[in-house]
Amino acid sequence: AQSVTQLDSHVSVSEGTPVLLRCNYSSSYSPSLFWYVQHPNKGLQLLLKYTSAATLVKGINGFEAEFKKSETSFHLTKPSAHMSDAAEYFCVVSLRTGANSKLTFGKGITLSVRP
Amino acid sequence: DAGITQSPRHKVTETGTPVTLRCHQTENHRYMYWYRQDPGHGLRLIHYSYGVKDTDKGEVSDGYSVSRSKTEDFLLTLESATSSQTSVYFCAISELGFYEQYFGPGTRLTVT
Repeated sequence: AQSVTQLDSHVSVSEGTPVLLRCNYSSSYSPSLFWYVQHPNKGLQLLLKYTSAATLVKGINGFEAEFKKSETSFHLTKPSAHMSDAAEYFCVVSLRTGANSKLTFGKGITLSVRP
Repeated sequence: DAGITQSPRHKVTETGTPVTLRCHQTENHRYMYWYRQDPGHGLRLIHYSYGVKDTDKGEVSDGYSVSRSKTEDFLLTLESATSSQTSVYFCAISELGFYEQYFGPGTRLTVT
C-alpha cells in the first residue's frame, strides 16, 4: 500500500522568506513523486517531478524538492516567497505496477504569503 | 498549458436530474481521468479511461458513469444527481497510466 502525508494543512510565511512544505510518503516500491500547485478556482499545475534520476529536482517558479529515501520525504522548498505563491500545494505519489497502478494525492497544504 | 477543456465550467441542477460533463483534449494522450475535489477529502478518482471504449472505476464511482467514444473526449454522467454530488470536478490526462497528469480547469457543479 502507498500513502502520502502532508502533516501541515496550512503554512504562512512573509514575502521574501523561505518556504518549506513537507511531504512524507509510504510505498513498497520505488515511487515517482510529484508536486502540484492549485491557485484559487484553477486546475492543478505540475510544479516538478522525481523519477529516480537526480534526487534534487528543480521545478517551475523557483521551487525545488529533494528526494530522501532514508527519510521517505520529498519536501518542497523555495528560497524566497512571492505573493503569487499563495495557493494550495499537493504532494502526489505514483506507483506503476501494472494492474495495481495507482496515483495517491496528499490532502494539500494551503500556503499564505504575508506582505 | 496542456490542451484540456471542460464544459460546462459551472452548472446548477436539481436533485434527480441527469447531468453530463465533458472533457476534451487536444494532446492525443491515451489516459483520461475524472476526479472530484471536496474540502477535507482532497482529490478522489471517480473513473478513468485507458483507451477508446476502455474505462474502469476509481475509488468513488457509485452514482457516476463514463464514456469515451473518441480519443479526445471523455464524458462523465450523473444519471440522477444528488446533493452529495455537489463538488468541483476535474478532468486529467496522461500519456502513461497513473503517472504525470495534466489537469483541466474544472467544473463547479451544484445540486440543489
